[in-house]
Amino acid sequence: NAGVMQNPRHLVRRRGQEARLRCSPMKGHSHVYWYRQLPEEGLKFMVYLQKENIIDESGMPKERFSAEFPKEGPSILRIQQVVRGDSAAYFCASSPPVRGLYGYTFGSGTRLTVV
Amino acid sequence: DQQVKQNSPSLSVQEGRISILNCDYTNSMFDYFLWYKKYPAEGPTFLISISSIKDKNEDGRFTVFLNKSAKHLSLHIVPSQPGDSAVYFCAASDPRLNTDKLIFGTGTRLQVFP
Repeated sequence: NAGVMQNPRHLVRRRGQEARLRCSPMKGHSHVYWYRQLPEEGLKFMVYLQKENIIDESGMPKERFSAEFPKEGPSILRIQQVVRGDSAAYFCASSPPVRGLYGYTFGSGTRLTVV
Repeated sequence: DQQVKQNSPSLSVQEGRISILNCDYTNSMFDYFLWYKKYPAEGPTFLISISSIKDKNEDGRFTVFLNKSAKHLSLHIVPSQPGDSAVYFCAASDPRLNTDKLIFGTGTRLQVFP
């Protein structure tokens, strides 16, 4: 049973380009969360999605960032017109409908570097 | 507004001794607390959790203590092993938000030396 799969593991983009980060949740998990870790900082919540629904996007920057979790396929975090400050590790996590006492399962992350 | 704080960015402990990692929070409505462990270049992995109705939860070498009046929780690792060297994050959940997001602290880097 594969865990949460994120790809790519590393992504380099020039300023102004678009970055697309993908996340396939664990089998049986219908809830997806995206977190960002800036250098020397903790994990900051970005967005919480269920299939075809954005439940909580209170942590998403107002511009350039969007997320989706379609009926079929992985969840996508999209960053348009990237800037140097977007350089960070982006982690996806998933959980079943009832999270219980065990928290989320995280993927290994995508490290975005904007040059 | 940092609702979950880990004031010690790093901790160094000798193998075999106890490691104590601390976490403070400001939101009295948090009902659930978790500890995650993170190795470099990997995602965080769940370690142990505690509900706000308890004051202690134990799992093998790991014990989490919760002091609600002080809004403080701690993770004890005993005996510490070199493989425990990692960054440890505490996290909390607020049931009023009607969302399942976790609020994380900034992490404490634990180094266990021989």
